[in-house]
Amino acid sequence: NAGVMQNPRHLVRRRGQEARLRCSPMKGHSHVYWYRQLPEEGLKFMVYLQKENIIDESGMPKERFSAEFPKEGPSILRIQQVVRGDSAAYFCASSPRKYQETQYFGPGTRLLVL
Amino acid sequence: AQSVTQPDIHITVSEGASLELRCNYSYGATPYLFWYVQSPGQGLQLLLKYFSGDTLVQGIKGFEAEFKRSQSSFNLRKPSVHWSDAAEYFCAVGAPVGYSGGGADGLTFGKGTHLIIQP
Repeated sequence: NAGVMQNPRHLVRRRGQEARLRCSPMKGHSHVYWYRQLPEEGLKFMVYLQKENIIDESGMPKERFSAEFPKEGPSILRIQQVVRGDSAAYFCASSPRKYQETQYFGPGTRLLVL
Repeated sequence: AQSVTQPDIHITVSEGASLELRCNYSYGATPYLFWYVQSPGQGLQLLLKYFSGDTLVQGIKGFEAEFKRSQSSFNLRKPSVHWSDAAEYFCAVGAPVGYSGGGADGLTFGKGTHLIIQP
């Protein structure tokens, strides 16, 4: 049973470009969460999605960030017009049922903005 | 608002010695409690969790944690550490089922404790 998959594992972008991060949840999991980890910091919740629905985006920056989890395919975290402050590790987690069940984390995408 | 405090940023322990990592939380109810471990450049692996019941929970890799409601704590322990235990450890809380006290739906993490193992 494959775990949570994220790609790419590393992503380099120049300021002003777009970053697309993909997350495939564990088989049978329909709940996805995105977190951001800044250097020397813990993880900060960004957004919680179920298939085709954003349930809670209270941790998402108001501008330039968006997320989706379509009926088919992976969840996507999209960052438009990246800035240096967006450099971080972005982790995806999934859970099987209710959002308070145990969350299983992917390996993360390390985004570096030059 | 919920918060998690891990007061020790770094801890150094000799191989074979016992370990305790501290975690305190602030929450409007008894939350779900988790400990995760992260090796350099890797994702997070769940060590153990507490939802309800027995306040002493056993996890993987020989770790255990004890929930103490009166102290709002969930400290992680291991009787004898191995060099492979060197990593970053994160305590996290989540809202229990039916909680209506507000806050985000995701987990709230502490800033982590970096564990160094001395030979």
